[in-house]
Parts: sequence; structure tokens; C-alpha cells
Amino acid sequence: QKEVEQDPGPLSVPEGAIVSLNCTYSNSAFQYFMWYRQYSRKGPELLMYTYSSGNKEDGRFTAQVDKSSKYISLFIRDSQPSDSATYLCAMSDGVEYGNKLVFGAGTILRVKS
Amino acid sequence: GAVVSQHPSWVICKSGTSVKIECRSLDFQATTMFWYRQFPKQSLMLMATSNEGSKATYEQGVEKDKFLINHASLTLSTLTVTSAHPEDSSFYICSAPLNSYEQYFGPGTRLTVT
Repeated sequence: QKEVEQDPGPLSVPEGAIVSLNCTYSNSAFQYFMWYRQYSRKGPELLMYTYSSGNKEDGRFTAQVDKSSKYISLFIRDSQPSDSATYLCAMSDGVEYGNKLVFGAGTILRVKS
Repeated sequence: GAVVSQHPSWVICKSGTSVKIECRSLDFQATTMFWYRQFPKQSLMLMATSNEGSKATYEQGVEKDKFLINHASLTLSTLTVTSAHPEDSSFYICSAPLNSYEQYFGPGTRLTVT
């Protein structure tokens, strides 16, 4: 079993839809949960991070962490064609500087106009 | 957010030659940097951890002599692909941690070996 599981998709939605992207994990030591967006042939861009359980909102994006279920989500409201990209979840125990992040496989999202 | 640059963004080289890729943290210092490789439509594969002032740590299965890593300063790490072959053609991405959880990625370098 992989440490972090993420449905690779592709996930195809119409413009304006609410998108839900999810990851599950097995390591209870993870404390920080990140979401990256990667456009084709570009490096991943850090969208947001969350510490421990709870929600965090940034514009159209909401990150949610449920540590009891070992489940994290990224919601995108009013999705736009420009949101079409691969979304990667990543996790860290946050103990030491320079810890390797553990990544999900990435979910390909396509928003149709 | 913090900014990481890579140079070059795209390089084409002939089989048997060596190619150097630079990774710089522009507005913060990074004593550690990471090098990833990514094939089309696949996820990131960590190749090695670059450590300023000490040897790099390579992931299992990555050839140390083929992928030379030098962390020359607190803002610069280089990856040299030696004696490149067509199977080394890939997208190489570096990242630098700002703290124990935030990592910022460079824009990537596309290597094509002919």
C-alpha cells in the first residue's frame, strides 16, 4: 500500500462546477498537508498548505483535513478552464527542515468551457 | 511565495555528452534542495537530495555517477547528467524547502538527448 493514495483521474467537469480532489494517507505522523498545481511542462506550484485538521480557504480554493480519517480534500468553486492542470497532494511530518515530502500520484483535472 | 529558478529551461544534447542544470533559490537560502525527474503523464520521482557542504543523498536505483549533484552555495545546486543517452530524456525539476513543510519548485528543465 502506498503511503499516499490519490485518484489519478482524469476528472472532467463543466465550467462553473465545484470540484473535489482527494487524498488518503496511512502515516499518522503527517502534520502538514499541501496542495500543488502543475500545468503541463511546468514545475508544481504550491497552492496552499494546512496544518493538522481543519479547513483553510483561499479565494475559490478550500483545503480540508480530517486526520481521524486520514483524508484530505481540495475543493475548487466556480471552476474555470484555467484550473485545468494536475493537482498533487503532498504531506510532511514537519519535524525537520528539509524533510522529503510524500506526494500523491496527482489528479488530472479538465474543466470544459 | 518563495521563488526557485532553473536554467536552462530546455536543452538538446547529443548522446555521450554531459549537461548541467542549475537550480537557484532567489529570495531565500536553502541548505537542502531536491531533484526530481518526471516522465510524461507520470508523477514526480525523487532522484536525490542535495546538501550544501556535503554529499548528495541518492534514492534507490539512481546512478550516482550518471547524475552528479553539487550544492555549491546556500542558493545554488547543480545536476550534471553525464554521458547522456536518449533514455535520459526527461523533465527534470528541482525544489527548495523554505521550512519543514513548504517546498517551492523550479519551472523545470526539459532534456532531450538525440
